[in-house]
Amino acid sequence: EAGVAQSPRYKIIEKRQSVAFWCNPISGHATLYWYQQILGQGPKLLIQFQNNGVVDDSQLPKDRFSAERLKGVDSTLKIQPAKLEDSAVYLCASSLRAGEGEQYFGPGTRLTVT
Amino acid sequence: AQSVTQLGSHVSVSEGALVLLRCNYSSSVPPYLFWYVQYPNQGLQLLLKYTSAATLVKGINGFEAEFKKSETSFHLTKPSAHMSDAAEYFCAVSVSSYKLIFGSGTRLLVRP
Repeated sequence: EAGVAQSPRYKIIEKRQSVAFWCNPISGHATLYWYQQILGQGPKLLIQFQNNGVVDDSQLPKDRFSAERLKGVDSTLKIQPAKLEDSAVYLCASSLRAGEGEQYFGPGTRLTVT
Repeated sequence: AQSVTQLGSHVSVSEGALVLLRCNYSSSVPPYLFWYVQYPNQGLQLLLKYTSAATLVKGINGFEAEFKKSETSFHLTKPSAHMSDAAEYFCAVSVSSYKLIFGSGTRLLVRP
């Protein structure tokens, strides 16, 4: 069974530029999560999708971050414009359904904003 | 609000020694508790989870954790460390059974 796929693995941009990350969850997993992991900290949930609907985006900085999950499969997370403090690893995870408990994580995208 | 505190950002043990990684949680309702491991440049992998069944939970790779309500703790242990155990370990709490609140992590170093 293929795991959660993310691309790109690494991205370097200048502040005020825009960037997009892509995630393809495990086949059949209805729930998809995006986390932000700043160096030295644990992951923080940014947004959760159930199929193509948003369940929780309370921690998403909506003035600059956006995410979508069209067709309820893969998802993109966008930052526009980026700030220096957005430098982090962005992790995508999926689970069979909300409340399943076990979330399967992708390898992450390491973003550096200069 | 729920929170997790991991004591010690770095723990160093000798190969073959006991591994003990500490986690204390705060929750107003009975929590679900998890331990995840993260190897360099990889995503997080679930080691074990507590979901209100047995208080002693066994996970993969010889790890186990004990839920102690009176101490609000969920410490992770392994009797004998192996070089391959070197990684970062995250404790997490959930009360809604989907939203994970992670601790800041403990990096385990294993000396030969």
